Amino acid sequence: AQSVAQPEDQVNVAEGNPLTVKCTYSVSGNPYLFWYVQYPNRGLQFLLKYITGDNLVKGSYGFEAEFNKSQTSFHLKKPSALVSDSALYFCAVREAGNTPLVFGKGTRLSVIA
Amino acid sequence: SQTIHQWPATLVQPVGSPLSLECTVEGTSNPNLYWYRQAAGRGLQLLFYSVGIGQISSEVPQNLSASRPQDRQFILSSKKLLLSDSGFYLCAWSVLRDTRPRDTQYFGPGTRLTVL
Repeated sequence: AQSVAQPEDQVNVAEGNPLTVKCTYSVSGNPYLFWYVQYPNRGLQFLLKYITGDNLVKGSYGFEAEFNKSQTSFHLKKPSALVSDSALYFCAVREAGNTPLVFGKGTRLSVIA
Repeated sequence: SQTIHQWPATLVQPVGSPLSLECTVEGTSNPNLYWYRQAAGRGLQLLFYSVGIGQISSEVPQNLSASRPQDRQFILSSKKLLLSDSGFYLCAWSVLRDTRPRDTQYFGPGTRLTVL
């Protein structure tokens, strides 16, 4: 069965510093990996996804994620954090077929001015 | 472009009362539709998903039910609400294209349900 782990409940980073939100996955076949962001009392917004090809995926709002097959990871990164990046971030995976995404528990990012 | 609507945005209901939440999608045909619940601002629990009219898959046993009376309409219902039904309910859609795993799910704005 496919699964996703986000090992950190909370990540704190100073404004202007680089940020990383961690995600590891478990699938039996090829993974299709997604990142979403959620602001308070809002729906989830799609940031980026890895399907195939280049291991570094670029997405919205300056975010990028690096797919590492050997470490089964898909960490979300941004070179310089903004206070407005403070939100709840979800990693998700789909293994194959026309099935719903499986989400991690979420990581709350707090960027401090 | 495609848009997804949910209503109401917020709802306060007494225990034992019925529930009906509605989700509609515009700008696409024959989408996959999903209902998720999010408790305490954290993880997402998949409740139901549908690949077509009248086709509903239930992921967890509960006192909730879902229906898809039209291609782009997805309804979440309950006959009698429990306190534990409180949460943030999110509807999502994705394109139905055979068995492509690459398609993104897009979420609606959510409904905040409080059961008192």
